[in-house]
Amino acid sequence: DTAVSQTPKYLVTQMGNDKSIKCEQNLGHDTMYWYKQDSKKFLKIMFSYNNKELIINETVPNRFSPKSPDKAHLNLHINSLELGDSAVYFCASSLTDRGNEKLFFGSGTQLSVL
Amino acid sequence: AQKITQTQPGMFVQEKEAVTLDCTYDTSDPSYGLFWYKQPSSGEMIFLIYQGSYDQQNATEGRYSLNFQKARKSANLVISASQLGDSAMYFCAMREANTGNQFYFGTGTSLTVIP
Repeated sequence: DTAVSQTPKYLVTQMGNDKSIKCEQNLGHDTMYWYKQDSKKFLKIMFSYNNKELIINETVPNRFSPKSPDKAHLNLHINSLELGDSAVYFCASSLTDRGNEKLFFGSGTQLSVL
Repeated sequence: AQKITQTQPGMFVQEKEAVTLDCTYDTSDPSYGLFWYKQPSSGEMIFLIYQGSYDQQNATEGRYSLNFQKARKSANLVISASQLGDSAMYFCAMREANTGNQFYFGTGTSLTVIP
């Protein structure tokens, strides 16, 4: 049973298109995240979201938007894709009320914008 | 200021030797957690070890140990008896109690184990 699952694993698309990446966790966590990992392997937080608040990294373009239909899902929508959006996107989840609770990662989505 | 600093972009170690990967952190929160993750070439993020700010002893998990020096704000990962499968990127991360949702990651260290 996969704890944090995201789909698709690979996404190849043209510039200007709109795409979504889905994420689901079955751990009962209350907070979910999206991270972007660039070609230099830097991990950058994009969003964190629980049922109380959405925290957006101010450097994230507003073409990116998280959508959470319920606590177990946090999808990432990207509008008007650009070449620079090519990266690996990781979904993750955690519990907020336990400081020692680690971050559980999905397997990543390799996005290639042509 | 960077919350997590990893100053070693790349490291090499001979198989069966021990290696230390450096991590320093910056926080004014007395309560925080420190984590290490491994990312092999396959891409997944694998949790290795956790150290809490109030823990008196250094954390250990099998061949992994965390050299926690609170006054120096360092949380170095020590891998003993390196194996070829240890070749990967290693990320240090911190979670502060006062910003409980946020995990801060370092830039990573690429470790190569030489046979």
